[in-house]
Amino acid sequence: EDKVVQSPLSLVVHEGDTVTLNCSYEVTNFRSLLWYKQEKKAPTFLFMLTSSGIEKKSGRLSSILDKKELFSILNITATQTGDSAVYLCATRYTGNQFYFGTGTSLTVIP
Amino acid sequence: DAMVIQNPRYQVTQFGKPVTLSCSQTLNHNVMYWYQQKSSQAPKLLFHYYDKDFNNEADTPDNFQSRRPNTSFCFLDIRSPGLGDAAMYLCATSRADGERRQFFGPGTRLTVL
Repeated sequence: EDKVVQSPLSLVVHEGDTVTLNCSYEVTNFRSLLWYKQEKKAPTFLFMLTSSGIEKKSGRLSSILDKKELFSILNITATQTGDSAVYLCATRYTGNQFYFGTGTSLTVIP
Repeated sequence: DAMVIQNPRYQVTQFGKPVTLSCSQTLNHNVMYWYQQKSSQAPKLLFHYYDKDFNNEADTPDNFQSRRPNTSFCFLDIRSPGLGDAAMYLCATSRADGERRQFFGPGTRLTVL
């Protein structure tokens, strides 16, 4: 059965801390893995990964994919209160089908 | 700004009373998606359209139907809502090639009484 598992389910850190969020997947016909940030509204796109070992970076956020071990990590350095959100990992399989994980709820305390 | 718009933002319906949720986009994307997201759960893909080609997920209940009359609009019809259908319904769009990055609308929160 296809699945996307994220860990931890929730995380509470202090401002300035660095966090690593994990996403493992077992998906038939894997095409790509995407990360989204969801505050109290719709998810917004962060990264798309298709190749192993190539880090994607945007400001304090970075992500990498390991297609051999079937996982991805999302790193956030020097966390800020505005980083508080649910971070969703999704895999695209076949053409236009996506499978989302349950998400990691991150709370950053001032 | 190009965007994905959903109406209404909040919908209250009675058990068994049909309801229609709407989504429109100005991105001119080929693909439109409907997701159901219940509290503290992952968004679950119900179906998607590639242009007018409808693709239903295998486990989407028959109670859920969709229409896409043109590129810009897509509707989600729930024929006989049950209490278990109360959820946030998210519409998303993407191109049909390349990155397939999805752009999400703000969602419609459905309450079933």
